[in-house]
Amino acid sequence: SAVISQKPSRDICQRGTSLTIQCQVDSQVTMMFWYRQQPGQSLTLIATANQGSEATYESGFVIDKFPISRPNLTFSTLTVSNMSPEDSSIYLCSVILDSRWIETQYFGPGTRLLVL
Amino acid sequence: AQTVTQSQPEMSVQEAETVTLSCTYDTSENNYYLFWYKQPPSRQMILVIRQEAYKQQNATENRFSVNFQKAAKSFSLKISDSQLGDTAMYFCAFNQYNTDKLIFGTGTRLQVFP
Repeated sequence: SAVISQKPSRDICQRGTSLTIQCQVDSQVTMMFWYRQQPGQSLTLIATANQGSEATYESGFVIDKFPISRPNLTFSTLTVSNMSPEDSSIYLCSVILDSRWIETQYFGPGTRLLVL
Repeated sequence: AQTVTQSQPEMSVQEAETVTLSCTYDTSENNYYLFWYKQPPSRQMILVIRQEAYKQQNATENRFSVNFQKAAKSFSLKISDSQLGDTAMYFCAFNQYNTDKLIFGTGTRLQVFP
């Protein structure tokens, strides 16, 4: 298994500002994913971030609103830009580990964001 | 498009009893993976169990087992000898073979009572 950490764990932000969320893994992984979990809801994939290439965004999510960086095989950031109260959610990163269980995603602890 | 349905928003069970959480899915694919994830209150999402669609044998992990009915597109989770620490949201998820996109159900909130 691997240790997946996220920073910050939670934040309260003012509308119109931006927040960058970090995801760190203690082993090298090819694929990282960013999800949003709105209050009381399920998880929705925002984008897939592979090292060395542009992130691939799901329908309804755009790069201008959620820019993603993936500078190396252990780290990624997701920025929530020009925030509004509707962006209040838990943001989770996940990774696929090179283990006996291929195509299995393991999740970070999440970042709880409240936008006022 | 694939969809995952969890028809039980909330379930409760007494400690030491057995509970079954339901999940159905819709896909035209033959090769895929199914997962159950657990999200305790304010804690990290963790993998409970996984099933490959090409395997007829139901997966088991200690007190957790699944009833995988491929023809019926059903993937229920059975928790035996329930413990207070099993209290959590449980999400069923689908992943088509050779893709990386996990599709989640809406979740079932399980409360285990002493």
